[in-house]
Amino acid sequence: GDSVTQMEGPVTLSEEAFLTINCTYTATGYPSLFWYVQYPGEGLQLLLKATKADDKGSNKGFEATYRKETTSFHLEKGSVQVSDSAVYFCALSDMTGYALNFGKGTSLLVTP
Amino acid sequence: KAGVTQTPRYLIKTRGQQVTLSCSPISGHRSVSWYQQTPGQGLQFLFEYFSETQRNKGNFPGRFSGRQFSNSRSEMNVSTLELGDSALYLCASNGGMSGLGETQYFGPGTRLLVL
Repeated sequence: GDSVTQMEGPVTLSEEAFLTINCTYTATGYPSLFWYVQYPGEGLQLLLKATKADDKGSNKGFEATYRKETTSFHLEKGSVQVSDSAVYFCALSDMTGYALNFGKGTSLLVTP
Repeated sequence: KAGVTQTPRYLIKTRGQQVTLSCSPISGHRSVSWYQQTPGQGLQFLFEYFSETQRNKGNFPGRFSGRQFSNSRSEMNVSTLELGDSALYLCASNGGMSGLGETQYFGPGTRLLVL
């Protein structure tokens, strides 16, 4: 079945460092891909998404490109801030589009 | 526009009891999905409702059930609670019509502790 694999955390970075969180997927067909972020004590917020191959999603300085050839959707940010500390989830939609299959999540801590 | 709301936010139950959680979607959204989040299993899809009909279901035992009302509000019920049901239960809503790529909007969750 469909699955998402993302790098294990926690990831600790200094402020202004470059961030990469790897995400690869296995799926039949052509799923949509998402990155969600969860701040402590809160629900999930959509960070960005891509619905077809070679699409680049971007938001708040974060970017990810849907790479069908490598089945990847890596999250990147050029300069992280302390406020980016959160748990990041990579996800894909199933064939119906209404069920999300999530990775295990990657905890990010950014220190001043 | 108000976001997805879930009640209650916190709940403590004992084994064998049943529990009902409630979710109010964003106004105009007709699809409501439920997810279970645990440290061990991560985020897992429970089921999705659209126009009062279950349209999609994850791999959970029959103790987990749900329903949706004509105003799109949804409830999920867990009967005969087990310790392993302790989790954060998240509800998400979307328009329900566009299919692939449609954004799911999540509520803050209900944290259930089973003793």
